[in-house]
Amino acid sequence: DAKTTQPPSMDCAEGRAANLPCNHSTISGNEYVYWYRQIHSQGPQYIIHGLKNNETNEMASLIITEDRKSSTLILPHATLRDTAVYYCTRLAGGTSYGKLTFGQGTILTVHP
Amino acid sequence: DTEVTQTPKHLVMGMTNKKSLKCEQHMGHRAMYWYKQKAKKPPELMFVYSYEKLSINESVPSRFSPECPNSSLLNLHLHALQPEDSALYLCASSQEPLAGGYEQYFGPGTRLTVT
Repeated sequence: DAKTTQPPSMDCAEGRAANLPCNHSTISGNEYVYWYRQIHSQGPQYIIHGLKNNETNEMASLIITEDRKSSTLILPHATLRDTAVYYCTRLAGGTSYGKLTFGQGTILTVHP
Repeated sequence: DTEVTQTPKHLVMGMTNKKSLKCEQHMGHRAMYWYKQKAKKPPELMFVYSYEKLSINESVPSRFSPECPNSSLLNLHLHALQPEDSALYLCASSQEPLAGGYEQYFGPGTRLTVT
């Protein structure tokens, strides 16, 4: 089962950190965790990905637990433009390389 | 240039029509993808092309026919669609399909309405 589980919605105050959790308890050792976001039915936008180690880029940080069963996406200083649907996804290995399986997503609303 | 382009942006077609969706990327990516997204749902993978060959078909009905004429182009041919096929069709590409660690870049999508 390649599912990920996310809370359906979250709120965050502008300027504060947004912490979005994701559960992927059945993840296998060669599967990456990817995060995307989608604004107003545009195409999904890549945010960050990781395998085992925590990762940081100019958009966000990704914290992956040691057992790899869950992760947290951190937007350090949320702005109104960060309001979007955030998808935690898994990139399958083996014969299904390239297959991204999207979870249901978290609707993040950033309030002034 | 990290852009994936899709045409048309909107398409309305009848159930007896034949139409095609087009996707293009010039990033030198060797993997290209078609996804379908219904309203308020996550994208669902339809097809994966790896080095211009179809590598994954997620049991998509034959009324959807993908084609990859070259490494930069991906088409989705549509024929005898049903109203329930109305959705946002997204194209994506990534650098290397056979290894992890490469992000997929998505186009803006084609919003298809079948009447």
